[in-house]
Amino acid sequence: GQNIDQPTEMTATEGAIVQINCTYQTSGFNGLFWYQQHAGEAPTFLSYNVLDGLEEKGRFSSFLSRSKGYSYLLLKELQMKDSASYLCAVRDGDYKLSFGAGTTVTVRA
Amino acid sequence: GAVVSQHPSRVICKSGTSVKIECRSLDFQATTMFWYRQFPKQSLMLMATSNEGSKATYEQGVEKDKFLINHASLTLSTLTVTSAHPEDSSFYICSAREQEYEQYFGPGTRLTVT
Repeated sequence: GQNIDQPTEMTATEGAIVQINCTYQTSGFNGLFWYQQHAGEAPTFLSYNVLDGLEEKGRFSSFLSRSKGYSYLLLKELQMKDSASYLCAVRDGDYKLSFGAGTTVTVRA
Repeated sequence: GAVVSQHPSRVICKSGTSVKIECRSLDFQATTMFWYRQFPKQSLMLMATSNEGSKATYEQGVEKDKFLINHASLTLSTLTVTSAHPEDSSFYICSAREQEYEQYFGPGTRLTVT
């Protein structure tokens, strides 16, 4: 099975940077995903890492260390619209996704 | 990007009735579709995996006779909640996978059982 941990809540100021950590213990690994989810809506894809290192995509970056079972999502130049839940998900060899409980990020003016 | 639709977006039904939710991949053929359930302030929990033309694979603890899944074509999967109870009220989300690519999520269906 999969065990995925991420912080429950984080608060940051508009324009700041926030880093959301995710640690995982898995029986099979075939990639790590980050999704953004606004209340009452389906998750939207943010990033995908399968190899170690940093993937940068505009204001969002994601890092993976497979040996440490660790990933983080970095949100830069925070905007009010970034207030949402951020889900870390690990994919196994059968392409099934296991999700962490999600981190609620609140951006304050 | 790939688009997945769900219908209906919201449904209210009475306890004891059945509800069908449709999931469609609009611009690609989905080799696999997944059904998730999300309770308030909780994460997505995988219910079942369905492949076109074969029986769905259910996760542990999910009753296959209660949550009927049919994957009749490469673009359509349906989830039927049979004999619904108030505790089945939840946000049901499907996703579709094309070959080895990422999963694309539908917009979700809010089910309320009264």
